[in-house]
Amino acid sequence: ELKVEQNPLFLSMQEEKNYTIYCNYSTTSDRLYWYRQDPGKSLESLFVLLSNGAVKQEGRLMASLDTKARLSTLHITAAVHDLSATYFCAGGETSGSRLTFGEGTQLTVNP
Amino acid sequence: GAVVSQHPSWVICKSGTSVKIECRSLDFQATTMFWYRQFPKQSLMLMATSNEGSKATYEQGVEKDKFLINHASLTLSTLTVTSAHPEDSSFYICSARQGAVAEAFFGQGTRLTVV
Repeated sequence: ELKVEQNPLFLSMQEEKNYTIYCNYSTTSDRLYWYRQDPGKSLESLFVLLSNGAVKQEGRLMASLDTKARLSTLHITAAVHDLSATYFCAGGETSGSRLTFGEGTQLTVNP
Repeated sequence: GAVVSQHPSWVICKSGTSVKIECRSLDFQATTMFWYRQFPKQSLMLMATSNEGSKATYEQGVEKDKFLINHASLTLSTLTVTSAHPEDSSFYICSARQGAVAEAFFGQGTRLTVV
């Protein structure tokens, strides 16, 4: 059974600083997703990572996948207040399987 | 991305009554739909997976007689919370995908409050 762990669970950072959220998973995962959730809202898809070494970037966020280490990272560059939200990673064991979510990382960017 | 619409966005009901939540795929045919529950400050927990025309597969610990799922068409799945109680108050989110390898897209969520 796939288990997904994120750290840190809480992250308070200052604007313009860089930081990384880590997502470890326990068994082979066919795909790795990153989502953003604002308070009271549903999930917004950020990235889908499908292969070892995959790197995707959108604005100040960059996600990468290392399938050998069973690790995905979400790197935040020069954080701004608008990035404050909860970020989830999720993996699926096979292409047809359900997703298993990490616990989520609550990010707060302070002025 | 594809659009998944959930209705209602929020609902308040009295304890003991039933509530139906709809999940529609607006621009694609959803062969599979997933129903999640999220309590405050927690992650999403999968409740059940439904394939069009088949009975839903429930996760361990989820009462199938309490949470009735119907997926009668390729664009609509419904979750009915029967005899709701305050502990059923939660944020319910559906997701839908077209085909086994496709990405699943999420609905807006439904905030259920049972009083």
